Amino acid sequence: GQNIDQPTEMTATEGAIVQINCTYQTSGFNGLFWYQQHAGEAPTFLSYNVLDGLEEKGRFSSFLSRSKGYSYLLLKELQMKDSASYLCAVMDSNYQLIWGAGTKLIIKP
Amino acid sequence: DGGITQSPKYLFRKEGQNVTLSCEQNLNHDAMYWYRQDPGQGLRLIYYSQIVNDFQKGDIAEGYSVSREKKESFPLTVTSAQKNPTAFYLCASSTSEGDVYEQYFGPGTRLTVT
Repeated sequence: GQNIDQPTEMTATEGAIVQINCTYQTSGFNGLFWYQQHAGEAPTFLSYNVLDGLEEKGRFSSFLSRSKGYSYLLLKELQMKDSASYLCAVMDSNYQLIWGAGTKLIIKP
Repeated sequence: DGGITQSPKYLFRKEGQNVTLSCEQNLNHDAMYWYRQDPGQGLRLIYYSQIVNDFQKGDIAEGYSVSREKKESFPLTVTSAQKNPTAFYLCASSTSEGDVYEQYFGPGTRLTVT
């Protein structure tokens, strides 16, 4: 079966760095997405990785290792507004997104 | 201003009633999707459509129906056959142009059935 695993909840301090991990087992691979979702709102796109390596976009970076079925989202200089759920999703061989349950990130002052 | 709209944001229905959730996009995207989100679970695909007048069942299509008569619109009907309809429903669209098949989401409709 297809499976995406990510921690349920993480806590970090304002100004610090946090790494959210995602491991996957899917039927084929056509890219990995990270989305941010604030409570009660729609997910918004953060990053896309299809090749191994690190993609940096401002305070956010995303890493992919296809051989290990592993990705992480790195958030630097954490701000209170970064409190949200972070969703990992993999596009399978049929170009459908398989979603993880999301990681709720709590930022403390 | 391009985007996806869903209405209403909150919807309350009695058990046994059918209800239709609207989704409209002006992004000129070919593909549209309906997801259901429950607490502690990932998004689950209900139906998707890659072209007008064509749609496919997702993982949890039972108790739901859709139509795609126009490129801009993809309404979802939650029928009385859906055993546990209370959930947060998200509509999304995407384009197959370019290398990134990013999905854009509407604001969602929270349906409560009692």
